Amino acid sequence: GAVVSQHPSRVICKSGTSVKIECRSLDFQATTMFWYRQFPKQSLMLMATSNEGSKATYEQGVEKDKFLINHASLTLSTLTVTSAHPEDSSFYICSAWTADSNQPQHFGDGTRLSIL
Amino acid sequence: AQKVTQAQTEISVVEKEDVTLDCVYETRDTTYYLFWYKQPPSGELVFLIRRNSFDEQNEISGRYSWNFQKSTSSFNFTITASQVVDSAVYFCALTAGSSYKLIFGSGTRLLVRP
Repeated sequence: GAVVSQHPSRVICKSGTSVKIECRSLDFQATTMFWYRQFPKQSLMLMATSNEGSKATYEQGVEKDKFLINHASLTLSTLTVTSAHPEDSSFYICSAWTADSNQPQHFGDGTRLSIL
Repeated sequence: AQKVTQAQTEISVVEKEDVTLDCVYETRDTTYYLFWYKQPPSGELVFLIRRNSFDEQNEISGRYSWNFQKSTSSFNFTITASQVVDSAVYFCALTAGSSYKLIFGSGTRLLVRP
């Protein structure tokens, strides 16, 4: 089946640091990828839709200058949290859309980001 | 607007009990898809099922079963003979119309005690 690899799985860094998270589709091409954020004991909230070769579409309330998304190839999307602060600490998870009629979105294993 | 409601925040059962997780959805689209995902403590999302709006047949997969009722806009999930390994957060989700966006419910945390 389709596999999505997300890296790193865990990041701990100081406030003010920029952090890059990668999302790769390993055995299929993904023209569309999604980035979600999940705060502790809460649901997954869609942050943005990433389309290969074009600008990402951000959901209302998500700062595009804060969360930079790049989808330069059909197998890789990156999310960069710029100048991260403690309130950005969260679980970030990506998914890649496929034409699989049974399971159209395949999720990475997530990145747990902790900003000190 | 699309919305998914999981009214049960937490459920605690003893092993071998049956448990039903409720999911109610809202959409104006006639074509939509409903999903259930399991999120164990490790955090990854495990896909359980997808059902389209034109298929109201109930589904059974091992100890899992799903009841889709368009009349009540519900897509409930039942685990029979629950096991400790079933302890997780379960999310119901929806995509509607031509959108690929998944709208998640707030999740139900299931604790199965030995």
